[in-house]
Amino acid sequence: KQEVTQIPAALSVPEGENLVLNCSFTDSAIYNLQWFRQDPGKGLTSLLLIQSSQREQTSGRLNASLDKSSGRSTLYIAASQPGDSATYLCAVTSGTYKYIFGTGTRLKVLA
Amino acid sequence: KAGVTQTPRYLIKTRGQQVTLSCSPISGHRSVSWYQQTPGQGLQFLFEYFSETQRNKGNFPGRFSGRQFSNSRSEMNVSTLELGDSALYLCASSLVSGNNYGYTFGSGTRLTVV
Repeated sequence: KQEVTQIPAALSVPEGENLVLNCSFTDSAIYNLQWFRQDPGKGLTSLLLIQSSQREQTSGRLNASLDKSSGRSTLYIAASQPGDSATYLCAVTSGTYKYIFGTGTRLKVLA
Repeated sequence: KAGVTQTPRYLIKTRGQQVTLSCSPISGHRSVSWYQQTPGQGLQFLFEYFSETQRNKGNFPGRFSGRQFSNSRSEMNVSTLELGDSALYLCASSLVSGNNYGYTFGSGTRLTVV
């Protein structure tokens, strides 16, 4: 049974800092992995989608890597800003196509 | 290009009632999935529909049901509401089933059962 874990559960950093969020999964047979952000009370905003054959994806200040063999993905945020404050979720698909979500990392960037 | 639209945004119901939530996917998307989000359980998969057929179902009781119409719009129904059904219900659409293109989520419907 696929399980997805995100560490840390919460993170508070000063503005301008570079940071790394971690996502690990127990079954390496995934189709893809997607990173989302969620603002309080809102839906999910897709950040990056990494197919199983890819090793990383980049969008602006965000870079996500995928290491299937070790069951890990990292989301790197460069030069963090207060507007980056949100909960970050990773999700993987395997087998039956449905997404299995991690529990999220709650990020607060202090001005 | 319009995103995924969920209606209503907020809903308050009484225990024992039933409720219907609606989701309109991105134009051209044929796959619609539903998820329940609660503080205790996080995001949990409810079901996926593709071309009006249920492709996959999560581990929820039969009180939770759904359907998809020929225009890909989907509805989710919860009967005999319980307090524990209070949650944010999120709909996600994808171009095709199989998720090679990732998902786009709507803003959700916040259901409160009192």
